[in-house]
Amino acid sequence: GAVVSQHPSRVICKSGTSVKIECRSLDFQATTMFWYRQFPKKSLMLMATSNEGSKATYEQGVEKDKFLINHASLTLSTLTVTSAHPEDSSFYICSALRLAGAEETQYFGPGTRLLVL
Amino acid sequence: AQSVTQLGSHVSVSEGALVLLRCNYSSSVPPYLFWYVQYPNQGLQLLLKYTSAATLVKGINGFEAEFKKSETSFHLTKPSAHMSDAAEYFCAVSEKAAGNKLTFGGGTRVLVKP
Repeated sequence: GAVVSQHPSRVICKSGTSVKIECRSLDFQATTMFWYRQFPKKSLMLMATSNEGSKATYEQGVEKDKFLINHASLTLSTLTVTSAHPEDSSFYICSALRLAGAEETQYFGPGTRLLVL
Repeated sequence: AQSVTQLGSHVSVSEGALVLLRCNYSSSVPPYLFWYVQYPNQGLQLLLKYTSAATLVKGINGFEAEFKKSETSFHLTKPSAHMSDAAEYFCAVSEKAAGNKLTFGGGTRVLVKP
């Protein structure tokens, strides 16, 4: 149990275009999902917290108009990188928060590698 | 505020030898602690977690970790390394009061020598 998927796994796009990444919790409902960015050989950096039915909460320094997050259902959150530029190239990973009684655990998707040319 | 420090960005062990990955945390409240493993070009897989029950936590793939409050540590061990253990390992802490956000350590890359 606790499977999280991401689509696409890899995407290459031209500078100036927008890219949408989907994150789905396949076997549980998640009112909260998280979006991370990981640079090569680095740890994960939290970008934003995605809450079902409400606006996302962005971490300091993350442009909310650049990285649009929508969490329209209990199993789907999307991250749209708008007007992508080469510096947006990175590995984007989502996680979904699973609540089991008093325990809360984040389960991660396999990641999406974005390359902006 | 919570923080995590992983001592050693790289660890090299021989196959069959003990694996020890160190993690120290800082948290203003009793924390939840996690170890995740990441294989190349993949997401993170949960190895084990501490959520205020038993201080010695057993996880998947033969790993275990011990929560020591007095030392603010949550070190990860495996008695005998296998080639398939070569990966990046992340220690993380979360606080419910912080919205369940995970704060990650810098990661430790494990190399297993035959």
